[in-house]
Amino acid sequence: AQSVTQLGSHVSVSEGALVLLRCNYSSSVPPYLFWYVQYPNQGLQLLLKYTSAATLVKGINGFEAEFKKSETSFHLTKPSAHMSDAAEYFCAVRGNNFNKFYFGSGTKLNVKP
Amino acid sequence: DGGITQSPKYLFRKEGQNVTLSCEQNLNHDAMYWYRQDPGQGLRLIYYSQIVNDFQKGDIAEGYSVSREKKESFPLTVTSAQKNPTAFYLCASSPPKVPYEQYFGPGTRLTVT
Repeated sequence: AQSVTQLGSHVSVSEGALVLLRCNYSSSVPPYLFWYVQYPNQGLQLLLKYTSAATLVKGINGFEAEFKKSETSFHLTKPSAHMSDAAEYFCAVRGNNFNKFYFGSGTKLNVKP
Repeated sequence: DGGITQSPKYLFRKEGQNVTLSCEQNLNHDAMYWYRQDPGQGLRLIYYSQIVNDFQKGDIAEGYSVSREKKESFPLTVTSAQKNPTAFYLCASSPPKVPYEQYFGPGTRLTVT
């Protein structure tokens, strides 16, 4: 079975500080992993994805994530937070059925000036 | 411009009434999905469809129904049997050659009183 756990429902950082959003997954098959961003009352936008190629994945808006199989983790990072990064972030894993995706409960990122 | 449209943005209904949420895409995607989003719970899959005239139940299909008569359209009906219908509903689609990528619509916020 597949599942995703996001540690920390709320994360607050200062503008310019490192952003680290944590995601741990469980999967009975080689995982495909995703990070999405959601702004209030909007749909989800794909930030980046891991599909069994390079373990360090670079995405849009300066975000990146590293797949660590030994830790079953796929944490999202950004070296320097910007006010526009304030949003909710979701980690997801594709299920055995290629048409099913499992989402974490989300982490709201607050960026302080 | 290609994309996914959901209408209306906000929808209000009285308890006991069925309501249909619209989802249209002009991306020529084969697969389409409906998710429900509640605060602190991430996204949960309601129904998905891989091709026209075919659809499968997701994890929380009870109280919902769908149809897929056209490739471009995947409407969701929230029936009076759904015990807690107030939520944010998101539609998504996937391209045929990249089935693990999902593109999301802007969502419909349904409030039932």
